[in-house]
Amino acid sequence: QVQLVQSGAEVKKPGASVKVSCKVSGYSLGQLSIHWLRQPPGEGLEWMGGFDPEHDEKIYADNFQGRVTLIDDTSTDTAYMEMSSLRSEDTAVYYCAAAREYELLNNYYYAMDVWGQGTTVTVYS
Amino acid sequence: DIHMTQSPSSLSASVGDTVTITCRASQSIGSHFNWYQQKPGRAPKLLIYAASTLETGVPSRFSGSGSGTDFTLTISSLQPEDAATYYCQQSYTTPGFGPGTRVDIK
Repeated sequence: QVQLVQSGAEVKKPGASVKVSCKVSGYSLGQLSIHWLRQPPGEGLEWMGGFDPEHDEKIYADNFQGRVTLIDDTSTDTAYMEMSSLRSEDTAVYYCAAAREYELLNNYYYAMDVWGQGTTVTVYS
Repeated sequence: DIHMTQSPSSLSASVGDTVTITCRASQSIGSHFNWYQQKPGRAPKLLIYAASTLETGVPSRFSGSGSGTDFTLTISSLQPEDAATYYCQQSYTTPGFGPGTRVDIK
């Protein structure tokens, strides 16, 4: 049974960087497709990036390309999300989630079935 | 990019009612579509994948239907613990979510 445990809350100043961790247990990180999402206060879910198993590479949402880096440390089964040049609009709860592949009638579908508990990142001066 | 819309944005219903939430994709996504439930202060929880398949452990009062561009989440016999925000998500391309539907219990 996969579990994802994220690092604690962060408070950062504008222009700084933040690195959030997501520790995997119950599975090896290399066997999972980990994605990162965020949710600003009172708003909906925004996908930031994740692992694309079809192309065996990390992919990023356009909004975060160049500012977010996703790192996997398979030696410790820990995934990281690093975001640079923080601004106040980056204040949000950040989630990691594991996407699972489901096979139905020879068709394949993906859904995020296990989530971390969330990490609050607050950016203010 | 595929744009997801949901309606209504919020609703209030009584225990025992049947509730329906709809989601529309800006282009056809087949059945590459999921529903999530999120309670305040908690991470989202997968309810339904592939448009209509119930995730293990999810109560059978939840059901999903649709394909192509139009999808529906139905909660039969609404329970107090169903108070939450429900999000739709397309998994046809890079993941995209609808804006959410808040369900309150009268």
